[in-house]
Amino acid sequence: QVTLKESGPGILQPSQTLSLTCTFSGFSLSTYGMGVGWIRQPSGKGLEWLANIWWDDDKYYNPSLKNRLTISKDTSNNQAFLKITNVDTADTATYYCARIGGGIPTNFDYWGQGVMVTVSS
Amino acid sequence: DIQMTQSPSSMSASLGDRVTITCQASQDIGNNLIWFQQKPGKSPRRMIYYATNLANGVPSRFSGSRSGSDYSLTIISLESEDMADYHCLQYKQYPLTFGSGTKLEIK
Repeated sequence: QVTLKESGPGILQPSQTLSLTCTFSGFSLSTYGMGVGWIRQPSGKGLEWLANIWWDDDKYYNPSLKNRLTISKDTSNNQAFLKITNVDTADTATYYCARIGGGIPTNFDYWGQGVMVTVSS
Repeated sequence: DIQMTQSPSSMSASLGDRVTITCQASQDIGNNLIWFQQKPGKSPRRMIYYATNLANGVPSRFSGSRSGSDYSLTIISLESEDMADYHCLQYKQYPLTFGSGTKLEIK
């Protein structure tokens, strides 16, 4: 059974660094072709892809967030992480992680419940 | 970046209606497209993968199709539980891009 769960600070102030954790089970990031992606959604708006990390530590980022994103993983503990530096009110959103890869039938097949993050002074 | 132009942005339909939502890709994405359903307060649920394949557990009234650069999600007989937002995602090329979403309401 595949599950993912996001965790984060809930609220933080502008200019701080947002640190998010995705804790998953039912698959491994050491498995060939497997990965985890991060996606966010401001309240009432659409989905925005942020970053992917793959089993071989290959990483891809959304250039619209310039150099503010860092994705990483801890394979032993089945976790993936996302950091966003210098946050602004525009980063207020629900953040999701999802399983990606593993072949076409499993790409983006499981998502976490999401974690709401508010940036406010 | 590949732009995914999704239409309509919102629509209202009656139970039993046939409903079609479309995403147009600005560049060739092959069949590298996923359709998601999202209900209020919930995570997206994958409905269709690789443009035309029904995901596990998804009712057979849902289907995906492709015509050139146009990708469609069709519900052949709308049910009340289908009221939701629908999103397309292309994963052919980075950055991955979503359509702007369609809000489907029941009349």
